[in-house]
Amino acid sequence: DSGVTQTPKHLITATGQRVTLRCSPRSGDLSVYWYQQSLDQGLQFLIQYYNGEERAKGNILERFSAQQFPDLHSELNLSSLELGDSALYFCASSAGPKVAEAFFGQGTRLTVV
Amino acid sequence: DQQVKQNSPSLSVQEGRISILNCDYTNSMFDYFLWYKKYPAEGPTFLISISSIKDKNEDGRFTVFLNKSAKHLSLHIVPSQPGDSAVYFCAAPAYTGGFKTIFGAGTRLFVKA
Repeated sequence: DSGVTQTPKHLITATGQRVTLRCSPRSGDLSVYWYQQSLDQGLQFLIQYYNGEERAKGNILERFSAQQFPDLHSELNLSSLELGDSALYFCASSAGPKVAEAFFGQGTRLTVV
Repeated sequence: DQQVKQNSPSLSVQEGRISILNCDYTNSMFDYFLWYKKYPAEGPTFLISISSIKDKNEDGRFTVFLNKSAKHLSLHIVPSQPGDSAVYFCAAPAYTGGFKTIFGAGTRLFVKA
């Protein structure tokens, strides 16, 4: 158990819909990262938050947005969903803003039908 | 832009023998490298890291070698055990105003008993 909690574990939704993925970081960790893993591909970095502020952005689509709340949990919002958005979405956390060794949650498997 | 590349999608090794997983990178600014291990239905778990000022780092059965001139690193597992069967990701943190970790596509290791 990494200490990072992601909900829900599985999500099936229709194209055009909007979903919210939730992440609770490890106790004490201030950085939260979101990654997308499409079928048989590596993890693509989406976005990083540190103590409530956006710190780094990857190839995150404009239809996607995220935020980190004062209690440090984070949400990833995906809207106008397309079939190609089907993927595993991982959240990770680390203690500081530049700590490379991060702890990952079990992921949310999103299926868009 | 694949700055971190793992060109072998899979590797099969006999129990007790050495497993060698390879990774190449293109960005000479990378100063730190990590290996993560991922079991099915779980998030990646940090395994071992190496700083660019070193050429070797060892942790039990796991050793990572770095060849900066060739922009190549490798993970050696000796002896390999069936429980090592997993997907292994090579990764490197990138500092671009913010901070993100770039992952390779992963290599699936099968250790046969």
